[in-house]
Amino acid sequence: DAGVIQSPRHEVTEMGQEVTLRCKPISGHDYLFWYRQTMMRGLELLIYFNNNVPIDDSGMPEDRFSAKMPNASFSTLKIQPSEPRDSAVYFCASSQGIGGYTFGSGTRLTVV
Amino acid sequence: DQQVKQNSPSLSVQEGRISILNCDYTNSMFDYFLWYKKYPAEGPTFLISISSIKDKNEDGRFTVFLNKSAKHLSLHIVPSQPGDSAVYFCAASDTGNQFYFGTGTSLTVIP
Repeated sequence: DAGVIQSPRHEVTEMGQEVTLRCKPISGHDYLFWYRQTMMRGLELLIYFNNNVPIDDSGMPEDRFSAKMPNASFSTLKIQPSEPRDSAVYFCASSQGIGGYTFGSGTRLTVV
Repeated sequence: DQQVKQNSPSLSVQEGRISILNCDYTNSMFDYFLWYKKYPAEGPTFLISISSIKDKNEDGRFTVFLNKSAKHLSLHIVPSQPGDSAVYFCAASDTGNQFYFGTGTSLTVIP
């Protein structure tokens, strides 16, 4: 298996622009998670899905953030409009039931 | 508010010695714990886990200890090797699905 695949690996965008991060979970995994890594807060859970349904989005910082999972093999995290404070590494992870996650390699977002 | 805390942002250890990474949590309902290791420019990778029915779990050079009364867990690496240099995250869950992560401890093993 190729693992959890995230794209792009790096994204540099100007403040105010829309940013879309993509994730392909491991086939057969029924949970998908979006995390953001910052120095101050470590790995923050933004939102997670179970069987493509959003379960908990309480970690999404603002209405500027939205996430979708249209099918079992694809999810997006969108920021519109983006701001410099959104600069971070965003990780997607998937799991099958109870247990540890498998993380993707992350997307490093820089908003200038 | 951080439910999982790693109060040491960094740790340096000589090669061959023991590395002890600590983690505290606030939610007494947490009963499943994980440690992840993260190298630069890579995603975190699973290292070792422990559930609340045990107080110790060992996997090679890595041992995790859990003290539920103190809401504290620790990861011991013996002997430490330069390849262990990475950021270590602890994570906790009460459901086994949604995990709360700490801020990480950057371990440097000095050759």
